[in-house]
Amino acid sequence: AQSVSQHNHHVILSEAASLELGCNYSYGGTVNLFWYVQYPGQHLQLLLKYFSGDPLVKGIKGFEAEFIKSKFSFNLRKPSVQWSDTAEYFCAVEASWGKLQFGAGTQVVVTP
Amino acid sequence: SAVISQKPSRDICQRGTSLTIQCQVDSQVTMMFWYRQQPGQSLTLIATANQGSEATYESGFVIDKFPISRPNLTFSTLTVSNMSPEDSSIYLCSVGTTNTGELFFGEGSRLTVL
Repeated sequence: AQSVSQHNHHVILSEAASLELGCNYSYGGTVNLFWYVQYPGQHLQLLLKYFSGDPLVKGIKGFEAEFIKSKFSFNLRKPSVQWSDTAEYFCAVEASWGKLQFGAGTQVVVTP
Repeated sequence: SAVISQKPSRDICQRGTSLTIQCQVDSQVTMMFWYRQQPGQSLTLIATANQGSEATYESGFVIDKFPISRPNLTFSTLTVSNMSPEDSSIYLCSVGTTNTGELFFGEGSRLTVL
């Protein structure tokens, strides 16, 4: 069955710490990959996306993600987090246009 | 980008009643999508709303429970019929842009069924 797995449900870290959120997917064919973020009280926003080309993609707010095809992974990273990065992060796979399958989400709390 | 407005933003409903959620987009789009986010869970696609044809439902979702209308290229409605407490969720409308491949989401409609 097709699936998207996010490794951590909750992450708590201090400001300036590095963040890495794992995402693995299970799909048979070519997929597009996304990371979305939902800040408290706000709607989902796109952080970054991968369609093809350079497997290291850069997004907004200093986030980046690396697509490793052999591992079916699309991990999100940020070298130094800020308090404002407190949010829920969703990995998603698009197997056909507009139809996203989301991971369970990771709640990230950054403490001052 | 696309600006999506949903109404209502939240509602508390009685068991057995139905509620219609509206989604308005500030530009014409071919396809609109309806997602559900149950408490503590991730988003799940309910259906794709196509203008001029019937909606396409994902596995586990049926038209009788979630009828969808798409009267034009900027508007869609999702009705949650004969609600039960298990329907308490956030319902989100989304649209995509073919040039960037990005999906934009509305702020969601939070339904609580008592």
